[in-house]
Amino acid sequence: EIVMTQSPATLSVSPGESATLSCRASQSVNSNLAWYQQKPGQAPRLLISGASTRATGIPARFSGSGSGTEFTLTISSLQSEDFAVYYCQQYNNWPLTFGGGTKVEIK
Amino acid sequence: EVQLLESGGGLVQPGGSLRLSCAASGFPFSNYAMHWVRQAPGKGLEWVSIMSGIRGSTVYADSVKGRFTISRDNSKNMLYLELNSLRVEDTAVYYCAKANHQPYLDVWGKGTTVTVSS
Repeated sequence: EIVMTQSPATLSVSPGESATLSCRASQSVNSNLAWYQQKPGQAPRLLISGASTRATGIPARFSGSGSGTEFTLTISSLQSEDFAVYYCQQYNNWPLTFGGGTKVEIK
Repeated sequence: EVQLLESGGGLVQPGGSLRLSCAASGFPFSNYAMHWVRQAPGKGLEWVSIMSGIRGSTVYADSVKGRFTISRDNSKNMLYLELNSLRVEDTAVYYCAKANHQPYLDVWGKGTTVTVSS
């Protein structure tokens, strides 16, 4: 099983600032990496697939990069609605696995 | 609009069984694989199972293999998850989700809550 490790666990950011979230895979997942956003009491929402392709309707301030084992989600100019938990997920190998999540909170 | 609506959750005793359903609409259901994912209270996401659209091939997480069974009825646009031999650690919100043409999860339902407790 591929282990996905996200860091940091919690990120404190002021509105308008940028946030950089990291995700590391225990072995290469090529570019088969997705990012999801989850707000309290809601289902997750797809942000990014293929490591860098934004899903429909996702603002351009969300960008993904990386391949192999190291991935990054960058949120530029954080808006109030962006404070949430973010998960990465690999879909290169079975079973699919998620990272433990990064909580982006208001500083 | 693509919509997924889960139902069937509830309180069940350890060792018991439950059947979850997911009603899909707004897309050609049989063309897409479908997932179940769960989230224990206060915890992260755990992928549970996937079933392909036409051939019906399945994959399960080791934690549920042999206890849970995924199935679908393409004529009714329905996805199911049969949960047997339930354990306290199966307590979670269970989400159904649509796969894209690769197995990432592009649309999620709102979830249904399963509580396993005596």
